[in-house]
Amino acid sequence: DVQLVETGGGLIQPGGSLRLSCAASGFTVSSNYMSWVRQAPGKGLEWVSVIYSGGSTYYADSVKGRFTISRDNSKNTLYLQMNSLRAEDTAVYYCARVSLWFREYYLDYWGQGTLVTVSS
Amino acid sequence: QSVLTQPPSVSGAPGQRVTISCTGSSSNIGAGYDVHWYQQLPGTAPKLLIYGNNNRPSGVPDRFSGSKSGTSASLAITGLQAEDEADYYCQSYDSSLSGSGVFGGGTKLTVL
Repeated sequence: DVQLVETGGGLIQPGGSLRLSCAASGFTVSSNYMSWVRQAPGKGLEWVSVIYSGGSTYYADSVKGRFTISRDNSKNTLYLQMNSLRAEDTAVYYCARVSLWFREYYLDYWGQGTLVTVSS
Repeated sequence: QSVLTQPPSVSGAPGQRVTISCTGSSSNIGAGYDVHWYQQLPGTAPKLLIYGNNNRPSGVPDRFSGSKSGTSASLAITGLQAEDEADYYCQSYDSSLSGSGVFGGGTKLTVL
């Protein structure tokens, strides 16, 4: 069975850094597109970042230059390094597997999410 | 402001049929990109409900169906049940935003 388990969330001061991890099982991370999606408290979903199987990456404008998506093939784990954190980055961060569909893609499996709170 | 527009809320009585709309533009749904739907039950992670406009993953009841026409898409739920009360999000792709999918703002379904 496919399973995604996020860890690494917590309370962090503005300007600080945090690394989220997403341990995958039941499939190979490096053979798939993978994504991070976040949801601010009481708000909708926001696509944060995608890493393609070939290694190319995408970032939302709101996090470009501050967040870095990566993966460790030996650990079958996806990461999101978050630097220069701001209050508006406060959200539940979900890791999701991307399924390709013709010219585009959708998210077929999601983790349970990890809460990041940026506050002094 | 989301790229895809959904009504903030819809409601219906048990057994009724409800629809949730998702309106896009010529750079996303209108450009031929398909629409996918997610269900988020209270306090849980989103779950894929419909992919490719009208396909259900294994385990999703056939009470849920999707359609697409022009620059819009719809999710229909028939035989409404109390456990359908959740937030629903549409998602597509936008050619003006390289490398990313886009979500609708979400619709809260209340079962009366």
